[in-house]
Amino acid sequence: DAGVIQSPRHEVTEMGQEVTLRCKPISGHDYLFWYRQTMMRGLELLIYFNNNVPIDDSGMPEDRFSAKMPNASFSTLKIQPSEPRDSAVYFCASSFGAGGANVLTFGAGSRLTVL
Amino acid sequence: AQSVSQHNHHVILSEAASLELGCNYSYGGTVNLFWYVQYPGQHLQLLLKYFSGDPLVKGIKGFEAEFIKSKFSFNLRKPSVQWSDTAEYFCAVRGIQGAQKLVFGQGTRLTINP
Repeated sequence: DAGVIQSPRHEVTEMGQEVTLRCKPISGHDYLFWYRQTMMRGLELLIYFNNNVPIDDSGMPEDRFSAKMPNASFSTLKIQPSEPRDSAVYFCASSFGAGGANVLTFGAGSRLTVL
Repeated sequence: AQSVSQHNHHVILSEAASLELGCNYSYGGTVNLFWYVQYPGQHLQLLLKYFSGDPLVKGIKGFEAEFIKSKFSFNLRKPSVQWSDTAEYFCAVRGIQGAQKLVFGQGTRLTINP
């Protein structure tokens, strides 16, 4: 299995531009999570999906952030317009099955720099 | 709501020293507990997990953790660290009822001096 695949690995953009991060979960996994990692705030859960349906988006910082999961094999996290404070590493993770006993597998992350 | 507290922000040790990283959580129900490790420039990887049974769990690379329910703690230990253990370590908790969120602590950066 190729694991959780994220793209792009690195993105540098200017303030005000739209940013789209992509994630392909492990085949067969029915939970997908988006996390953001910064030095100041550590790892924050932004949103998670179950069977392509958003379950909890309370971690999404503001309306500039949106996430979609049009099918079981693809999810996007969009920031529009981007701001310098959005600079972070964004991780996607997936897991299989209900219950807390399931291990998340993380992608390699997308490092975003907003100038 | 779940929350996780890691006591140490940055720990510096010499090779062969013993390690213990603290982790406390708060949650009103039954939880599963995890330690993840993030080596420099890499993504998070599972180090070990506790689901049920023996509260002393062993993970990869000689790490172990002990779940003490009465103290809501899940401390990570290693008897003798190596330079290659330099990384950031995250404790995480996930409730087994209701929302399936994996909540992370702030992380502890471990630096091992050769």
